[in-house]
Amino acid sequence: RKEVEQDPGPFNVPEGATVAFNCTYSNSASQSFFWYRQDCRKEPKLLMSVYSSGNEDGRFTAQLNRASQYISLLIRDSKLSDSATYLCVVNSGAGSYQLTFGKGTKLSVIP
Amino acid sequence: DTEVTQTPKHLVMGMTNKKSLKCEQHMGHRAMYWYKQKAKKPPELMFVYSYEKLSINESVPSRFSPECPNSSLLNLHLHALQPEDSALYLCASSQGFPNEQFFGPGTRLTVL
Repeated sequence: RKEVEQDPGPFNVPEGATVAFNCTYSNSASQSFFWYRQDCRKEPKLLMSVYSSGNEDGRFTAQLNRASQYISLLIRDSKLSDSATYLCVVNSGAGSYQLTFGKGTKLSVIP
Repeated sequence: DTEVTQTPKHLVMGMTNKKSLKCEQHMGHRAMYWYKQKAKKPPELMFVYSYEKLSINESVPSRFSPECPNSSLLNLHLHALQPEDSALYLCASSQGFPNEQFFGPGTRLTVL
């Protein structure tokens, strides 16, 4: 089983749509969870950390279900500028500096 | 200021060359990382420095040699690379664990 699995992409959505990405992780000892976005030929940029209580930042909402080892990202009112690859990232266990990256899901927001 | 800088942005080198990649952060972070990323793949961890000491080496070939001169700087020395080493090399830093990592813009390396 892959350590971090994400929705296979690509997602092509019209502007203004709501889109949801899902991610599952296999290491139950993982403590930290993140969503990064990566534009073509650029570095990954932190979008948001994901907390057990769920968290929201403007149009973006992240949820974590530790029991199911499942993470989600919801983007509301999609903008053209949201087009990117979204990476689900999980730390590799208690006290670990290592991050495990999902393969990413490509989002294209279409005018 | 969540900024990590890397130089050079692009590097083309032959298989017999020696070159170095440089990374700098001024956020007071105590952990710094080197990653390698091939096209359409996620970043792969190469090395981790924690408090200026090498704490993780992910079985990287010896033709890659990391160095951490101080808490703000991280170098990656390259020697006798192979064409398959061509990739985007990313530096990152974090306050510690399990904190967020912040990435630099990367060095796009081409080995001829």
